Amino acid sequence: EAGVVQSPRYKIIEKKQPVAFWCNPISGHNTLYWYLQNLGQGPELLIRYENEEAVDDSQLPKDRFSAERLKGVDSTLKIQPAELGDSAVYLCASSLDRQYEQYFGPGTRLTVT
Amino acid sequence: GQSLEQPSEVTAVEGAIVQINCTYQTSGFYGLSWYQQHDGGAPTFLSYNGLDGLEETGRFSSFLSRSDSYGYLLLQELQMKDSASYFCAVSVYGQNFVFGPGTRLSVLP
Repeated sequence: EAGVVQSPRYKIIEKKQPVAFWCNPISGHNTLYWYLQNLGQGPELLIRYENEEAVDDSQLPKDRFSAERLKGVDSTLKIQPAELGDSAVYLCASSLDRQYEQYFGPGTRLTVT
Repeated sequence: GQSLEQPSEVTAVEGAIVQINCTYQTSGFYGLSWYQQHDGGAPTFLSYNGLDGLEETGRFSSFLSRSDSYGYLLLQELQMKDSASYFCAVSVYGQNFVFGPGTRLSVLP
């Protein structure tokens, strides 16, 4: 069984530029999560999808961040424009029917210069 | 909101036993999970406690006391490969799944 796939693995951009991250969850997993993780800290939830519906996006900075999960499978997270403080690892995870057991992708390490 | 506390760092030697504590403050709590994350890697699920008591999975055990809002992860027969960060996380009814700040475990030879 393939795990959660994310791309790109690394991204370096200048501030004010846009950036997008892609995630393909484990097949059959209806719940998809995007997290932000700063160095030395725990993952922080940005948005959670149940199928194609965003059921929790309270922590997503909507002035610059957007996400979509068309057809309830893969998902894209976008930042426009990026700021220096957005430098972090962006993790995608998926789960089947137990929220406490999530499967994470390798993450995208974003550096904003 | 929710808050979780963990020690920032723990050090132990190979073959030893180490306990990583987690205290939480939250309403609507229904379970405590533990994840392991190696440097540069993805978090991986270790265990879940929905009820009070001890859950054992090989060398790892996890404990929960709802009345004390407290849990711990116990790692036995430590190996070098256990050097990683360990996160507790709370499940809350109808809300987010929240991770703690993490404990960095260093296993020395």
